[in-house]
Amino acid sequence: QVLLQESGPRLMKASETLSLTCTVSGDSMKHYYWSWIRQSPGRGLQWIGYIFDSGSTAYNPTTYNPSLKSRVTISVDTSKSLLSLSLKSVTAADTAFYYCARGADFWSYWGQGTLVTVSS
Amino acid sequence: QSVLTQPPSASGTPGQTVTVSCSGSRSNIGSNYVYWYQQVQGTAPKLLMYNNDQRPLGVPDRFSGSKSGTSASLAISGLRSEDEADYYCAARDDGLSGVIFGGGTKLTVL
Repeated sequence: QVLLQESGPRLMKASETLSLTCTVSGDSMKHYYWSWIRQSPGRGLQWIGYIFDSGSTAYNPTTYNPSLKSRVTISVDTSKSLLSLSLKSVTAADTAFYYCARGADFWSYWGQGTLVTVSS
Repeated sequence: QSVLTQPPSASGTPGQTVTVSCSGSRSNIGSNYVYWYQQVQGTAPKLLMYNNDQRPLGVPDRFSGSKSGTSASLAISGLRSEDEADYYCAARDDGLSGVIFGGGTKLTVL
């Protein structure tokens, strides 16, 4: 069974950089798409972006939500079974539950989510 | 603010059939698959339907999906108390090159 677990800071200050990791167990990350999705009361569910783990560190293509593209970086470390999310210059609008999930267009496996609160 | 439009709430009594609608446009539902998620409060969304009308393993056949043009529907027959949850539709949007969601429908079982 594929399990995903997010981890990272719960409370942040505006203008800081959010860094989250997702530990994947139960299957290899290779040859799958991996996504980050967030959910906030005011904005509902929002797809952040995804990465394809080709199994080669030289080629892991990413696609980001245009509304976040200038601030987001998604990366993967297959050897450590880790998916990462970096979001720069956070504001209160970035307060949300952040989920990692396997897939690009739809997601059968999700992490339990981690709540990140940004204070001004 | 969601690009896909869902009614904010729906309700039914045990045993009834309830339908949740999802309306989009040519760039999303009109040209891509629709997905449905069920989210029980305090938990992550769970995939309920993929590729318009396909149920993942373990999802009861009481749940069915359909799509026509730029709209889609999720029907829940034989309503049960455990079906009380939020339901979200989703679809890839060609302009976004990614997935968009509906605003969610809160289903209450009376």
